[in-house]
Amino acid sequence: GAVVSQHPSWVICKSGTSVKIECRSLDFQATTMFWYRQFPKQSLMLMATSNEGSKATYEQGVEKDKFLINHASLTLSTLTVTSAHPEDSSFYICSARVGEMGTDTQYFGPGTRLTVL
Amino acid sequence: AQKITQTQPGMFVQEKEAVTLDCTYDTSDQSYGLFWYKQPSSGEMIFLIYQGSYDEQNATEGRYSLNFQKARKSANLVISASQLGDSAMYFCAGLSGGYNKLIFGAGTRLAVHP
Repeated sequence: GAVVSQHPSWVICKSGTSVKIECRSLDFQATTMFWYRQFPKQSLMLMATSNEGSKATYEQGVEKDKFLINHASLTLSTLTVTSAHPEDSSFYICSARVGEMGTDTQYFGPGTRLTVL
Repeated sequence: AQKITQTQPGMFVQEKEAVTLDCTYDTSDQSYGLFWYKQPSSGEMIFLIYQGSYDEQNATEGRYSLNFQKARKSANLVISASQLGDSAMYFCAGLSGGYNKLIFGAGTRLAVHP
């Protein structure tokens, strides 16, 4: 159980275009999902917390107008990188929390590697 | 935990031996949780083990165990009987922000040699 999927696995796009990444919890409902970014040889950095039915909570320094998050259902959250630029190239990983409590385990998707040319 | 420190950028271990990956944390919370995740070269983050601050016993999950020393604020991961497939990045993480956010350490790259 506790499987999280992401689509696409990798994407290459031209500078200025927008890219949508989907995160799905396959066998459980997730009120809360999280979006992380990981640059090469670095750790994961939380970008935002996605709450079903409400606005996402962004971490300091993350542009909410550039990284649009939508959590329309208990099994799906999407991250849209708008007007992507080469510096947005990174590994984007989502996670979904199994339960309602903060101490409940987060299970991660396989990640999406974004390359902006 | 507001800050997670992993001081070992890389570790080597012989197959079938045990290895300890260090993790220290800094928090002012009385109640907190600590996690270990494994990240192979494919990039996925695999949950390994969880330790709650009020858990009286060290967490164990198969070959993984957590050496939790509350007074020292350390939560070291012990992998017994290392296997070649254990070669990966290992991240220690702690809950912060009202238990809503995971804060990750810098990670330790483990290489298991035959």
